[in-house]
Amino acid sequence: AQSVTQLDSHVSVSEGTPVLLRCNYSSSYSPSLFWYVQHPNKGLQLLLKYTSAATLVKGINGFEAEFKKSETSFHLTKPSAHMSDAAEYFCVVSDGYQKVTFGTGTKLQVIP
Amino acid sequence: NAGVTQTPKFQVLKTGQSMTLQCAQDMNHEYMSWYRQDPGMGLRLIHYSVGAGITDQGEVPNGYNVSRSTTEDFPLRLLSAAPSQTSVYFCASSYGRGGLSGELFFGEGSRLTVL
Repeated sequence: AQSVTQLDSHVSVSEGTPVLLRCNYSSSYSPSLFWYVQHPNKGLQLLLKYTSAATLVKGINGFEAEFKKSETSFHLTKPSAHMSDAAEYFCVVSDGYQKVTFGTGTKLQVIP
Repeated sequence: NAGVTQTPKFQVLKTGQSMTLQCAQDMNHEYMSWYRQDPGMGLRLIHYSVGAGITDQGEVPNGYNVSRSTTEDFPLRLLSAAPSQTSVYFCASSYGRGGLSGELFFGEGSRLTVL
């Protein structure tokens, strides 16, 4: 069995300040973990993925995430928020075969 | 390269009507899937396919049918639409015959309203 919990449904930051979106997971396997971003009225786009290589994963647009097995976490961070980062972000866990589980999403608001 | 193409983008149905949401991909991906997105619930898997002729149920399959006669196409059929099926539907594909082995590629979504 696997599950993913996004700890915040909404996060609000000022432009230029750091972003932290939190994700905890549960998996019976060695999971693959992903972060996707969805801009309004668009499909989802991959930000980054962890597949048991380096625990610190760098993605597009300056985002990165750190896999912490002991804490079962995969938090998404960015040093400095930009207005274009305003979107909904989904943490996703996969067993690498057929089962993919999405978190409920975190809406990021960036205040100018 | 079009990626994953969904049609229609918008549809309004009356309760009891049937319809088909179309999904096509041109990346030769073996794995294709349908999700529905509802506020506060993330994406939930409806049906998926790991190759032509093979389909299986996901988390919320009731009221939906799928078939996979070709690698490229994976249509989703609503047999008798209900207001509870009002949602945004996403088709996604991934490479790998054995199933999901990496990134999911999403279409832009089909917004369905059932009155």
